[in-house]
Amino acid sequence: QVHLVQSGAEVKKPGASVKVSCKASGYNFSTYGFTWVRQGPGQGLEWMGWIAKSGNTNYAQEFQGRVTMTLDTSTSTVYMELENLTSDDTAIYYCARDLVDFDYWGQGTLVSVSS
Amino acid sequence: SALTQPASVSGSPGQSITISCTGTSSDVGGYHYVSWYQQPPGKAPKRMIYDVNKRPSGVSNRFSGSKSGNTASLTISGLQAEDEAEYYCCSYTSRTTLVFGGGTKLTVL
Repeated sequence: QVHLVQSGAEVKKPGASVKVSCKASGYNFSTYGFTWVRQGPGQGLEWMGWIAKSGNTNYAQEFQGRVTMTLDTSTSTVYMELENLTSDDTAIYYCARDLVDFDYWGQGTLVSVSS
Repeated sequence: SALTQPASVSGSPGQSITISCTGTSSDVGGYHYVSWYQQPPGKAPKRMIYDVNKRPSGVSNRFSGSKSGNTASLTISGLQAEDEAEYYCCSYTSRTTLVFGGGTKLTVL
C-alpha cells in the first residue's frame, strides 16, 4: 500500500532554512506529483504549492522566492526547502500525493522557529 | 483568500449535517475540482470527497458531496461519534493554485 513518510521535527532560528523530506513507497513514484500543505498552531490548512511528476513547480504567491520543491526519483523522495524562516513559519508541514486533490498524506513534520 | 466555511456545526448521533464551502466563480464555481478532508485532532488529513461528489474507496457512503453555483457542500448522514473532527474543503482556482477553506469543527453531541 501507499506510504508517505516524512522526516523528523526541526528546530530552527529566525533567518535559517529548513529542508523537509517525504519518502514515498508502494507505487510507481514517477506517476504522480506532490503537494505541500502547512498548518500553523491551532490554524487551518494552507496550500504551499506543488511539484509535478515532470519536476515543474507551482508555488503559492506567499512563498514565492522562499520555497523550493524538488524530486529525487532515485530514492522516491520529494523535498521542500523553506528559506529565511520567521516565527510565522512555525507549523506542521505535510506532503500529499497529487496536485488537485490529495489521496495520501505524510504524517507531518513539525518545524519550530524560535530564537 | 480562503474559502468560507462555518466555524462549527453539531448534530446528534443518527442525524444528518451539512457543511458549506463558499467561494467564487474563480474557484468553487468555475471548476469541478472540489475536495473535502477530515482531520481528527493531532492527525493528518484524510480525503473524503474529490471532484465535488466522488467518494474514494473505503470512505463510508454516509459521506456525500455536491455543488451549486459558488458553494460546495459536504453532507454526513447517520452521524456517528467517530465523525467528530475538523473538516476542510479545497478547490482549484483560475490562477492554477489551490485554496482551502478555514475549516469546520464537527461536534457529535
